[in-house]
Amino acid sequence: QQQVKQSPQSLIVQKGGIPIINCAYENTAFDYFPWYQQFPGKGPALLIAIRPDVSEKKEGRFTISFNKSAKQFSLHIMDSQPGDSATYFCAASSTGTASKLTFGTGTRLQVTL
Amino acid sequence: NAGVTQTPKFQVLKTGQSMTLQCAQDMNHEYMSWYRQDPGMGLRLIHYSVGAGITDQGEVPNGYNVSRSTTEDFPLRLLSAAPSQTSVYFCASRRQGAGDEQFFGPGTRLTVL
Repeated sequence: QQQVKQSPQSLIVQKGGIPIINCAYENTAFDYFPWYQQFPGKGPALLIAIRPDVSEKKEGRFTISFNKSAKQFSLHIMDSQPGDSATYFCAASSTGTASKLTFGTGTRLQVTL
Repeated sequence: NAGVTQTPKFQVLKTGQSMTLQCAQDMNHEYMSWYRQDPGMGLRLIHYSVGAGITDQGEVPNGYNVSRSTTEDFPLRLLSAAPSQTSVYFCASRRQGAGDEQFFGPGTRLTVL
């Protein structure tokens, strides 16, 4: 059973556009929601993360929007650049020593000139 | 700091062969984990460890063994390789808290013929 559903599977936007990637979760015990960025041939790296006590978090051009009642969160990339072309994974976990991250299936983003 | 290192980067095995994927981290992280990445399926947890001498199963543990004799090392053993184990394998580590950043290694691309 997939606990974190991510969409779309792939996305193409022009330079300067605002791609939006959506995730939905089922487990109400989840209280940590990170996004990871992965370039081809590399391991994923943490991009930005949010906890459910806030509805939005911004770091540079990247923004997470969080809707606790709908159990959904999304990543927005402002003024997207070709260098943002990568695969993006949302994830979720509960807090605790042995808590495990559950990942979405990933979104391949291509930003064209 | 080297972070999380993995060896080898590439490996080709024949069905039935065994091998060990190596993972090491120099950040004194207590929590270490192994994931496999397959197209369209995201990152799935194989095994994890919350400290030396303690390991537990993740989402897809069948066909894999792990041990954690030191804080630094967390090898993943394939007992009898099968074509279904063809994948990219990532090792990751973090401090004990689930809300702490998880650092990924560069991955091992494994092909089982």
